[in-house]
Amino acid sequence: GAGVSQTPSNKVTEKGKYVELRCDPISGHTALYWYRQSLGQGPEFLIYFQGTGAADDSGLPNDRFFAVRPEGSVSTLKIQRTERGDSAMYLCASSSGTSGTLDTDTQYFGPGTRLTVL
Amino acid sequence: AQSVSQHNHHVILSEAASLELGCNYSYGGTVNLFWYVQYPGQHLQLLLKYFSGDPLVKGIKGFEAEFIKSKFSFNLRKPSVQWSDTAEYFCAVNAGTGRRALTFGSGTRLQVQP
Repeated sequence: GAGVSQTPSNKVTEKGKYVELRCDPISGHTALYWYRQSLGQGPEFLIYFQGTGAADDSGLPNDRFFAVRPEGSVSTLKIQRTERGDSAMYLCASSSGTSGTLDTDTQYFGPGTRLTVL
Repeated sequence: AQSVSQHNHHVILSEAASLELGCNYSYGGTVNLFWYVQYPGQHLQLLLKYFSGDPLVKGIKGFEAEFIKSKFSFNLRKPSVQWSDTAEYFCAVNAGTGRRALTFGSGTRLQVQP
């Protein structure tokens, strides 16, 4: 079946611009996660949705970063006033989020969006 | 806060050599443990996971990992590597207390020479 998809695969923008990154989770997955991966590092957690609501946004670095998931499926990560330090690979993952197995849910990752801020 | 250490940043092996990649985590409570692999040009894929039960877990492609609670370790092993195992390997942890976020190590780049 189809995996997690992310668009665009690459995004180049200028410092100060606004960008949106899209994630389409695996069909039926209720949990959705955003991570950021800088070169030479492992992914770092940004935010987690259970359904439409952000259940944990403790990883968002500052208020320039925001994410939504209005219908509990597709999610958009929004970055305002981009800075060169925002350049990274942005990864999305989804999991089934089955009630009763909250702690043992396996996350499946998409291919990522490589963001470059010039 | 939990953290994950992968001490081997870059490992070079010849085909048929045995592999062991180290992973240590810092968290005193119940944890769930994962190894993910990223082949060149591909996205992160799950190799294996440990939630509870037998501390020796077997994953895909002949990989296995052993959870040693007393050492806070979850090392990845494979008895005989192949050229196709060339990839980056990430260890990840989440605290088994309802927090879903994964904490990743910085990764180990494995290069297998034919």
